[in-house]
Amino acid sequence: KAGVTQTPRYLIKTRGQQVTLSCSPISGHRSVSWYQQTPGQGLQFLFEYFSETQRNKGNFPGRFSGRQFSNSRSEMNVSTLELGDSALYLCASSLSRQPGTDTQYFGPGTRLTVL
Amino acid sequence: AQKVTQAQTEISVVEKEDVTLDCVYETRDTTYYLFWYKQPPSGELVFLIRRNSFDEQNEISGRYSWNFQKSTSSFNFTITASQVVDSAVYFCALSAPGKSTFGDGTTLTVKP
Repeated sequence: KAGVTQTPRYLIKTRGQQVTLSCSPISGHRSVSWYQQTPGQGLQFLFEYFSETQRNKGNFPGRFSGRQFSNSRSEMNVSTLELGDSALYLCASSLSRQPGTDTQYFGPGTRLTVL
Repeated sequence: AQKVTQAQTEISVVEKEDVTLDCVYETRDTTYYLFWYKQPPSGELVFLIRRNSFDEQNEISGRYSWNFQKSTSSFNFTITASQVVDSAVYFCALSAPGKSTFGDGTTLTVKP
């Protein structure tokens, strides 16, 4: 089975721009979560989707948004980019209908650099 | 609220040494799950093991072993006869219905 895929792998943007990241979960997985990883803050939970519905959201500003499509693929969008948004964005998928009860499998991440 | 503490920020060992990565957790849930992930320089978190709160059996997989003790709220990970390829950041994670929490990670460097 193919693993979680994320595109693009690397991205360079300037302040004020917006960006969209994409994640394709493992086939059959309907839950997708997004995390931001920075050297100073570690792994921080952004949001989680199941069957096109956002089930959980972390403590991030409204500039961070996401969605999930009927084929379980997910996108996250960051508007009005700030320097502090530079990070590795990781997507994870799992089988579980209930968040927090199943193993999450991670993609390779998208490394976003904001100049 | 739940919490995961990996007190060791960085560990450096010489190849073939054994090394134990510590993980201590806090939760009020009676049903929860513990995980270890490995993050090599490429960035992808690789799943290593999952344990649920009702299963305190230790596990061994090749050179890896895990010691889960509910009495001390710990889920430690030991690598026996470490190899250079074990160099990575290792994360311990705790999840319960509706929430997941990761520790800050332990960077393991294995020198030849």
